[in-house]
Amino acid sequence: EDQVTQSPEALRLQEGESSSLNCSYTVSGLRGLFWYRQDPGKGPEFLFTLYSAGEEKEKERLKATLTKKESFLHITAPKPEDSATYLCAVPSGSARQLTFGSGTQLTVLP
Amino acid sequence: NAGVTQTPKFQVLKTGQSMTLQCAQDMNHEYMSWYRQDPGMGLRLIHYSVGAGITDQGEVPNGYNVSRSTTEDFPLRLLSAAPSQTSVYFCASSYGRGQKYTQYFGPGTRLTVL
Repeated sequence: EDQVTQSPEALRLQEGESSSLNCSYTVSGLRGLFWYRQDPGKGPEFLFTLYSAGEEKEKERLKATLTKKESFLHITAPKPEDSATYLCAVPSGSARQLTFGSGTQLTVLP
Repeated sequence: NAGVTQTPKFQVLKTGQSMTLQCAQDMNHEYMSWYRQDPGMGLRLIHYSVGAGITDQGEVPNGYNVSRSTTEDFPLRLLSAAPSQTSVYFCASSYGRGQKYTQYFGPGTRLTVL
């Protein structure tokens, strides 16, 4: 059974304090890993897709990396507007179904 | 494009009532799905569809029905609401070609069953 585990569950940072979120996965043949951002009361917003170990993608202060067992979402010099829950997911089953982790709730204090 | 739209945004039901959550997308996506999100449990797949006329069960299908008569619409029906179905429901859609796909989510419906 495919499993996705995210850590930490919650993270509080001061503005400008860089850190990383972890997403570890167990799947039978990785077919990609997705990162989403979710603001309170809204649907998940797509951030990145990574397909192979060693791949990296960046968007503003966020950089996602992928190894054979886990993915990291690095946040450099975060701002309060980066506060959100960050979700990772892997395709499973027919490859169009997503298995999600429980998310990391990030709070960036001014 | 409006993307993925869901109605209603909020709904309160009594135990035993039935209702339909609406989902529509205007991106001509083949694949559509319904998830529920509960605290500490992440998003769990309820039902999905790979095209008009084709639906299948996800991880937590009991108590829910779906149909897909058009590419654009994918309604979720609660047959007899139970308090355990209190949750936030998200609809998502994506292209279904090859392995490179991304699922786009709607804004959600917050359902409370009393």
